[in-house]
Amino acid sequence: KAGVTQTPRYLIKTRGQQVTLSCSPISGHRSVSWYQQTPGQGLQFLFEYFSETQRNKGNFPGRFSGRQFSNSRSEMNVSTLELGDSALYLCASSLYSNQPQHFGDGTRLSIL
Amino acid sequence: AQKVTQAQTEISVVEKEDVTLDCVYETRDTTYYLFWYKQPPSGELVFLIRRNSFDEQNEISGRYSWNFQKSTSSFNFTITASQVVDSAVYFCALSASGSARQLTFGSGTQLTVLP
Repeated sequence: KAGVTQTPRYLIKTRGQQVTLSCSPISGHRSVSWYQQTPGQGLQFLFEYFSETQRNKGNFPGRFSGRQFSNSRSEMNVSTLELGDSALYLCASSLYSNQPQHFGDGTRLSIL
Repeated sequence: AQKVTQAQTEISVVEKEDVTLDCVYETRDTTYYLFWYKQPPSGELVFLIRRNSFDEQNEISGRYSWNFQKSTSSFNFTITASQVVDSAVYFCALSASGSARQLTFGSGTQLTVLP
């Protein structure tokens, strides 16, 4: 069974640009969550989608947004990039509520 | 508010030694889940275990064991006879019943197992 797939693996952008990251969950999983990992702040929850609806949102500015498609694939968008957005962005999927989340390899975003 | 504390930032052991990673949590919820994840250098978070707040039984899986104590709000992880391949960052995480898929992570413990 294929795991969670995130694309691209690496991305380099400049300040002010916008970026879209993609996540394909494990087949059959309907919940997709996004996390940001930085050396300073650690792992922080961004948002969670279930059946195309955002269910939870972490404490991030509105520049961070996401969506989920009918096939459960999810995208995350960050607009007006700042240097502090440089991070590893991890996507996780789970089958049902309270089931363990399974993570992808992440997208490493670098802002120049 | 929820909080997970992993006081040990880095631990180094020699292969075959036993090592315990500490995790202390805070939550007002009576129903919650605790997790341990392993993050090797590749970056992917690998799920190790989930425990719900009503199940205080300790668990053993091969060389791994977990000790959950609600009285001290701790969920410690022990690796017996450590191996070089165990070298990774280990994260303890918490989710409450109201937001089951929103994990609150500790800051992680970097474990280095020396040959």
